[in-house]
Amino acid sequence: NAGVTQTPKFRILKIGQSMTLQCAQDMNHNYMYWYRQDPGMGLKLIYYSVGAGITDKGEVPNGYNVSRSTTEDFPLRLELAAPSQTSVYFCASSPQGIKNSPLHFGNGTRLTVT
Amino acid sequence: TQLLEQSPQFLSIQEGENLTVYCNSSSVFSSLQWYRQEPGEGPVLLVTVVTGGEVKKLKRLTFQFGDARKDSSLHITAAQTGDTGLYLCAGANSNYQLIWGAGTKLIIKP
Repeated sequence: NAGVTQTPKFRILKIGQSMTLQCAQDMNHNYMYWYRQDPGMGLKLIYYSVGAGITDKGEVPNGYNVSRSTTEDFPLRLELAAPSQTSVYFCASSPQGIKNSPLHFGNGTRLTVT
Repeated sequence: TQLLEQSPQFLSIQEGENLTVYCNSSSVFSSLQWYRQEPGEGPVLLVTVVTGGEVKKLKRLTFQFGDARKDSSLHITAAQTGDTGLYLCAGANSNYQLIWGAGTKLIIKP
């Protein structure tokens, strides 16, 4: 059972480039989340989804987009990369909302924008 | 804006010592989760506390939720090198969002 799989593990982008961070889970979880983690800061929620076809903004959505066409996949799109988007990105999933079930995290994508 | 403050930010101690990590807020949470994160990996859940005053034990780790559900602590007894990692607390608020602390980086020296 792979859990939550994120690709790529590392990526360097030039300012203005675009890319998609991939996230897939094989646990049939309804809820999926994208977080960014910066040194000395807590995890910040970018976007989340409560099921296929439904997405919603989190705390820091600007500069990002998501889609959820299937239960398994939840890609995160950066359209015009900026240095402020240098961070480690984590995808997570849970069977129910956060009140009743913990998050299962992938191993992250380390993104550098120069 | 709800905040969850963790202290200390960094702790380096010798193997065998005891330590306590704190997670404090002025807000009430419906539950609080503790995660441990190792370098290059995502956070992994250790425990969830739900009831005010609740105490949960996980081997040498003891977790407590404050009576008012605004704070929590993690106590490690006789720390081992395998306890090294980043410890994160996260509180679930009334909007069913997780508010994360910044983490405590723990290093246990042999």
